[in-house]
Amino acid sequence: DTAVSQTPKYLVTQMGNDKSIKCEQNLGHDTMYWYKQDSKKFLKIMFSYNNKELIINETVPNRFSPKSPDKAHLNLHINSLELGDSAVYFCASSQGGTLSNQPQHFGDGTRLSIL
Amino acid sequence: QQPVQSPQAVILREGEDAVINCSSSKALYSVHWYRQKHGEAPVFLMILLKGGEQKGHEKISASFNEKKQQSSLYLTASQLSYSGTYFCGTVDPNSNSGYALNFGKGTSLLVTP
Repeated sequence: DTAVSQTPKYLVTQMGNDKSIKCEQNLGHDTMYWYKQDSKKFLKIMFSYNNKELIINETVPNRFSPKSPDKAHLNLHINSLELGDSAVYFCASSQGGTLSNQPQHFGDGTRLSIL
Repeated sequence: QQPVQSPQAVILREGEDAVINCSSSKALYSVHWYRQKHGEAPVFLMILLKGGEQKGHEKISASFNEKKQQSSLYLTASQLSYSGTYFCGTVDPNSNSGYALNFGKGTSLLVTP
């Protein structure tokens, strides 16, 4: 009964390919996120998605696109992968409230390696 | 804007205490603290919402000084299980990131026997 699950756990692929990472949460939360953690462990927000409202970090290249088929899922699609995309991608969810006083629950991460 | 954490790394012997600081150049609305062990996901520790608020989680507690725009995490009588990287995360209600957290660069804590 994992709260936030991501697949795959590891993804090794070549430069130029297109790939997707799936995320599902069974906590009933209404806000989901994608974070990127680089080799120096810096965790950076990429997207947040709440009630069909997508908020994009302006520094994220448009090769990255989140897709949410329903409230429990937020998938990440990446086009034309580049070497610099190698990182660990974390999905998270929270019961987003106006006071933002809710903890975020993270998935186990997807380790993406670009050859 | 990313909060600043200090120190970057700390090594303790079991039973010793440590303090990790988190400060921001912007007004803070709330401060979140997470711990991440190597190869694992960040795990929530606590949230502080009000200025001067203090919270505790076993022997880990934190304070939040809204006026000084900073928070501190206190680890007392450290245990081996405390080892990991500690992140503070802040929310800027005026940003365009929604409820997303802006994380500091993390503080690596190693507790040795």
